[in-house]
Amino acid sequence: DAMVIQNPRYQVTQFGKPVTLSCSQTLNHNVMYWYQQKSSQAPKLLFHYYDKDFNNEADTPDNFQSRRPNTSFCFLDIRSPGLGDAAMYLCATSRWGSADTQYFGPGTRLTVL
Amino acid sequence: TQLLEQSPQFLSIQEGENLTVYCNSSSVFSSLQWYRQEPGEGPVLLVTVVTGGEVKKLKRLTFQFGDARKDSSLHITAAQPGDTGLYLCAGARNTGGFKTIFGAGTRLFVKA
Repeated sequence: DAMVIQNPRYQVTQFGKPVTLSCSQTLNHNVMYWYQQKSSQAPKLLFHYYDKDFNNEADTPDNFQSRRPNTSFCFLDIRSPGLGDAAMYLCATSRWGSADTQYFGPGTRLTVL
Repeated sequence: TQLLEQSPQFLSIQEGENLTVYCNSSSVFSSLQWYRQEPGEGPVLLVTVVTGGEVKKLKRLTFQFGDARKDSSLHITAAQPGDTGLYLCAGARNTGGFKTIFGAGTRLFVKA
């Protein structure tokens, strides 16, 4: 089945220790998104790639970076995680632009010790 | 500012009851999606509505998009414990480039 896959499902890191979260998709969609979701809140868009074009949200901290080496894969790098970065990180894809329906992966739960 | 307001924020009901949750905005959306999210999982798409006044049915779930495309409702008939979860609505609108905006969700708990 075509899907959005996130690895790992659970990630524990130490304060200030860089961490990378992975997302892959078999949908062959053009757009890939990264969201941060804290408890009882809506997903908050961090950035997205339209093909190779990177689009950063204005309020996304510089601590968060992303890479998309090819159509299928997209990575979220947190350079120096703080306690406030503990959250669920969701990857999503859509075939076309941001107005198109988005399909989500299962998420990665990040814990910062 | 929350552009998509979902109500109620929390709902706890008995199995077999009917319920309606709402997604409201003062903005017009080109399309609107409903997702269900279970604890520790990503949101799963339930439906996309695009036409004002559109009604879609998915088994016991009925989705309606407002005539003006500013609001939507989700009605569940004869709720089951398996319906428990966070129901998110998301709307796409043109803000100098299209963007999808999420509501904060309605957390539903169906007791057996």
